[in-house]
Parts: sequence; structure tokens; C-alpha cells
Amino acid sequence: GAVVSQHPSRVICKSGTSVKIECRSLDFQATTMFWYRQFPKQSLMLMATSNEGSKATYEQGVEKDKFLINHASLTLSTLTVTSAHPEDSSFYICSASGTSSTGELFFGEGSRLTVL
Amino acid sequence: GENVEQHPSTLSVQEGDSAVIKCTYSDSASNYFPWYKQELGKRPQLIIDIRSNVGEKKDQRIAVTLNKTAKHFSLHITETQPEDSAVYFCAARSEWAGTALIFGKGTTLSVSS
Repeated sequence: GAVVSQHPSRVICKSGTSVKIECRSLDFQATTMFWYRQFPKQSLMLMATSNEGSKATYEQGVEKDKFLINHASLTLSTLTVTSAHPEDSSFYICSASGTSSTGELFFGEGSRLTVL
Repeated sequence: GENVEQHPSTLSVQEGDSAVIKCTYSDSASNYFPWYKQELGKRPQLIIDIRSNVGEKKDQRIAVTLNKTAKHFSLHITETQPEDSAVYFCAARSEWAGTALIFGKGTTLSVSS
């Protein structure tokens, strides 16, 4: 299957700082990538849909000025959590569809963000 | 948009018993229905999926059924083993529209020996 790599896997930062998370498709081109957030013992909640070369589409309740998404190439999408606060601490995970027609989405390893 | 409901939220079974998890979806345009197993702190692992042109799919001890008319699909695990203990998520998407997967709230399955 297609491989999606996410970095960093863990990050700890101070409140008020910004953190960038990278999501790369290693063996395929991803026109569209999806960003999810997962709080402890909860489900994966879609944050935004990232489209190469255009603005991301954010889900209701997700602040686009706080969660900046850039999809500048067909293999890289980044999520920047700006002015992070403790309530932003979560597991962030990206996904993309490969080149097959099965409908399957491939997930990155996820990034555990802890804001102190 | 799509809304996926999943039940039960927790399920405890004895080793060797069967486990069934049920999901319903709202968007008739959804045509792809995967099931994931997730261990703590890790990415979801696809265990089985089904598309809307199929009513049932089986892979060893795991099977999924889909009822398009009623908009519900179920995961069946037979002969459960302790290593089946995990959180399971159902999801739905419309691959034609290139939309994201929308997940159910998850089921914590505990298999005791």
C-alpha cells in the first residue's frame, strides 16, 4: 500500500509557541490530504481537507487562523498549530488516498503534541 | 455531511466468543466502509473494508456486512482472542467525491481469557 510519513512523532512545547507538523506521501502523489485530531479516549475528528495548490477546507469549529495548513507540493502537507495552548494538546494524524481505486486512505504515524 | 454512529462503546467477551460492532451512516453517497483497529498512541490499522457494491466480506475470523438500504454495516469477529482487545472504529466516505473518512466514536473491545 501507499506510505504516508508524519514528523515529528512527539513534540512538547511551551504555551504560546507555534509547532509545525509535516505529512509526506513517500511513494505517491497526494492531491488531497486530510488532517485529523484525536483527544484521549475519543475518535478521530476531521479538522480540515488539504488541497495541493489551494486553500484548505476547514471543518466547522476548527479555527483556520490557529491551525494553518499548507499543501505546497503533491507530496507534502504541513499543519502549523499557532500560539499553542494546553487545550491544543492532542494526537494529530494526517491521511491521504493512494493511487488505487479502493477508496482506502493511508495514515501517517501521528504526532503527539503536548503543550505545557 | 456524513455522520457515523457506532455501538456499543464498550464490549466485553470471553475468549472464543463472537463480537459484533454495529455502525450506521447518514450519507447515501458514501460507498466505502472500512474498519480500523487502533492501539494506544498509534495510527489506525485497517483490518477490513467493504464497498457499496458488496453485501458481505470475510477475512479469516473477521467479517463485515453492509446493508445499503438501511445504511448500516457491522463488524463480526469470531473466536475472539485476548490479542483482539483494542479500540475499533468504523468509518465511511464517498470515494467518488474524494471526501475524507468520517469515523464512528469507537468501541473498546475487551477479550478475557
